[in-house]
Amino acid sequence: EAGVTQSPTHLIKTRGQQATLRCSPISGHTSVYWYQQALGLGLQFLLWYDEGEERNRGNFPPRFSGRQFPNYSSELNVNALELEDSALYLCASSLVRGVTGELFFGEGSRLTVL
Amino acid sequence: GENVEQHPSTLSVQEGDSAVIKCTYSDSASNYFPWYKQELGKRPQLIIDIRSNVGEKKDQRIAVTLNKTAKHFSLHITETQPEDSAVYFCAASILNTGKLIFGQGTTLQVKP
Repeated sequence: EAGVTQSPTHLIKTRGQQATLRCSPISGHTSVYWYQQALGLGLQFLLWYDEGEERNRGNFPPRFSGRQFPNYSSELNVNALELEDSALYLCASSLVRGVTGELFFGEGSRLTVL
Repeated sequence: GENVEQHPSTLSVQEGDSAVIKCTYSDSASNYFPWYKQELGKRPQLIIDIRSNVGEKKDQRIAVTLNKTAKHFSLHITETQPEDSAVYFCAASILNTGKLIFGQGTTLQVKP
């Protein structure tokens, strides 16, 4: 069974540009979560999608947004990129809605903002 | 606001020794506490979790204890092996919020 897949693996952008990151959950998982892992920091919760709807978001500005498609895949959009947006962005999925059990993480997309 | 403090930030032990990592959470409504292991360059993976109605859980060499009164939970690894070397993250969650609040991580080094 395929795990959570993310693309691209690496992405380099300049300040002010937009970045789009993509995630495919494990087959059968309807919940998708996005986390930011900046260097030296833990994982920071960004967004939770379930059944195509945004269910919760963390303490990030509105320029961080996303969506979930009918096939449960998801994309994360970061607008007006800032240097401090440089980080590893991890996507996770779960079989059970809303973190009542294991989150299965992807390998992440490393975003570098120059 | 919601916060999880994790200590120590780094831990070095000899192979065969025990390792203990401690976490404290702020939101008393938290009721789910997982631990994730992240090897260098790899994805975080769940190693053990505990719910608020349980005080202790064990899985082979790994155990987790929870003290709800003190809002404190700990990871215990016995008979450590070099392959236990990784970054360990504790987390706390309120069920059905979809949000895990992670600690800052502990880098564990097991010396052969």
